[in-house]
Amino acid sequence: GAVVSQHPSWVICKSGTSVKIECRSLDFQATTMFWYRQFPKQSLMLMATSNEGSKATYEQGVEKDKFLINHASLTLSTLTVTSAHPEDSSFYICSATPGTSVSEQYFGPGTRLTVT
Amino acid sequence: RKEVEQDPGPFNVPEGATVAFNCTYSNSASQSFFWYRQDCRKEPKLLMSVYSSGNEDGRFTAQLNRASQYISLLIRDSKLSDSATYLCVVNMKGGNNRKLIWGLGTSLAVNP
Repeated sequence: GAVVSQHPSWVICKSGTSVKIECRSLDFQATTMFWYRQFPKQSLMLMATSNEGSKATYEQGVEKDKFLINHASLTLSTLTVTSAHPEDSSFYICSATPGTSVSEQYFGPGTRLTVT
Repeated sequence: RKEVEQDPGPFNVPEGATVAFNCTYSNSASQSFFWYRQDCRKEPKLLMSVYSSGNEDGRFTAQLNRASQYISLLIRDSKLSDSATYLCVVNMKGGNNRKLIWGLGTSLAVNP
């Protein structure tokens, strides 16, 4: 149980284009989903927390107009990287929790984004 | 000072060795503590939670010292499959919300 999927698993896009990443909880309803970013040899950094039906809460330094998060249902959240630049190239990982505890997070397999 | 600090390593040990990782955290109000394992280019996976009384899961033992704000992970009888990065994670309050704060990770390579 508690499986989270992400799509795509990897994507290469040109600078200036937008990329959408999907995060789905397959066998539970996710009250809250989290989006992380991890650069090579760096720790996971929380980008934003999204609750179904409400606006995402972004961490300091994360541009909400550049990283659009939509959590339209209890099983799906999307992250859209708008006007991507090479410095946005990173490993993006989502996680989901069935309740309100941040300690119980189930992670997706991640999406590797390369912007050329 | 970083919120969660770990020695990045790498630790290179032979099979069968015992290895210990340390982690310190800055926020004394932190509530929950975890060790995650992350393989190269993969998502992190929960290895074990860390309890105040210390806890053991097979070859893995975790310890927490709240007074010193220090967490440890001990791996006994290392296997080749233990090679990975071990992440120290703390549930900490940030602003109005609680969130997981991740250490940089300690890299372990177990050699035959």
